[in-house]
Amino acid sequence: DIQMTQSPSALSASVGDRVTITCRASQTITSWLAWYQQKPGKAPQLLIYKASILEKGVPSRFSGSGSGTEFTLTISSLQPDDFGTYYCQQYNNYPGTFGQGTKVEIK
Amino acid sequence: EVQLLESGGGLVQPGGSLRLSCVASGFTFSSYAMSWVRQAPGKGLEWVSIISDSGTDTFYTDSVKGRFTVSRGNSKSTLYLQMNSLRADDTAVYYCAIKWGQWLPYDYRGQGTLVTVSS
Repeated sequence: DIQMTQSPSALSASVGDRVTITCRASQTITSWLAWYQQKPGKAPQLLIYKASILEKGVPSRFSGSGSGTEFTLTISSLQPDDFGTYYCQQYNNYPGTFGQGTKVEIK
Repeated sequence: EVQLLESGGGLVQPGGSLRLSCVASGFTFSSYAMSWVRQAPGKGLEWVSIISDSGTDTFYTDSVKGRFTVSRGNSKSTLYLQMNSLRADDTAVYYCAIKWGQWLPYDYRGQGTLVTVSS
């Protein structure tokens, strides 16, 4: 199985800050990586897929980059509604493993 | 509007069984693979299983192989997860998801259903 290692596990940032979350795969997944935001009690919501394609309706402050084994999610200017836990998930093969999650708190 | 509605969760004793359902609407259910993921209380997401559009191909994470069975009823637009020999570490919220294509991501639309395994 492909292991996904996400960092940091948590962060606290102020409104307007630039935030970066990293996801590393244990073997190449080319660009078959998605990023999700999850709020308490809710299902994960898709933000980015194929490493860098923004899902329809997702604010442009979210962006993704990377390929192979190293990937990054960036929030260019953190907003109050961006709190929650962010997960990466590879869909290169099965099982579609997730990173451990990054909990984002607004200072 | 695409919707997924999970149900069937509840409290079950260790060693017991439960069948989860996920009713889909707003899209042609029989054309897409469907998946289950779960989330233990306060923990991260874990991929559980996937079934092809026709139901002929299934895959499971190692921890549920031989205990869980995924199936689907395309005429009823419903996905199932039969869970047997349940253990305490199966306690989680279970979500179903649509896999729109081989090289497209999972799409989670439901609210989940909570399974609690405890004596």
